[in-house]
Amino acid sequence: QKEVEQDPGPLSVPEGAIVSLNCTYSNSAFQYFMWYRQYSRKGPELLMYTYSSGNKEDGRFTAQVDKSSKYISLFIRDSQPSDSATYLCAMNPYSGAGSYQLTFGKGTKLSVIP
Amino acid sequence: NAGVTQTPKFQVLKTGQSMTLQCAQDMNHEYMSWYRQDPGMGLRLIHYSVGAGITDQGEVPNGYNVSRSTTEDFPLRLLSAAPSQTSVYFCATGQETQYFGPGTRLLVL
Repeated sequence: QKEVEQDPGPLSVPEGAIVSLNCTYSNSAFQYFMWYRQYSRKGPELLMYTYSSGNKEDGRFTAQVDKSSKYISLFIRDSQPSDSATYLCAMNPYSGAGSYQLTFGKGTKLSVIP
Repeated sequence: NAGVTQTPKFQVLKTGQSMTLQCAQDMNHEYMSWYRQDPGMGLRLIHYSVGAGITDQGEVPNGYNVSRSTTEDFPLRLLSAAPSQTSVYFCATGQETQYFGPGTRLLVL
């Protein structure tokens, strides 16, 4: 079983739709959960991060972490064509002492159609 | 404040040639890392460093060398390029979360 599973898509939605992106994981030691957005031929851009369980909202984006189910989600409200990108989830146990290694999902490619 | 910078943006090498991919950060982070990204494989960790003078191997270290003489710089060296090293290379820095550079596209013929 892979440590982090993410549906690669592609996912195609009409403009204005609510988008739900998800990852599951198996390592219960993960404490920090991140979402990156990667446009074509660009580097991954940190979109949101959450520590432990709970929700975090930033504008049209909401990140949710359910550690009991080992499941994280990113919701995009009122999706725009500019949201078309690949979204990567990433996780980190971060127990201090330099243990900063991230484990990534393989990414979900999203297209928002005008 | 440039964040994370990488040079060159694009490079073509012949098999057997060597080169160094440069990475610099002005975020004063101790942790830096190198990834390669290939279609269907996701991001894979090559080498990482937890501070000047300290480096360690990641998931796919073979064929690559690193050194860390300053906090700011973390170069990645390809000793003898092979077609299997054709990829996009990203440098990242941070702690609980990490910030990526714009990448270097490498083609090995």
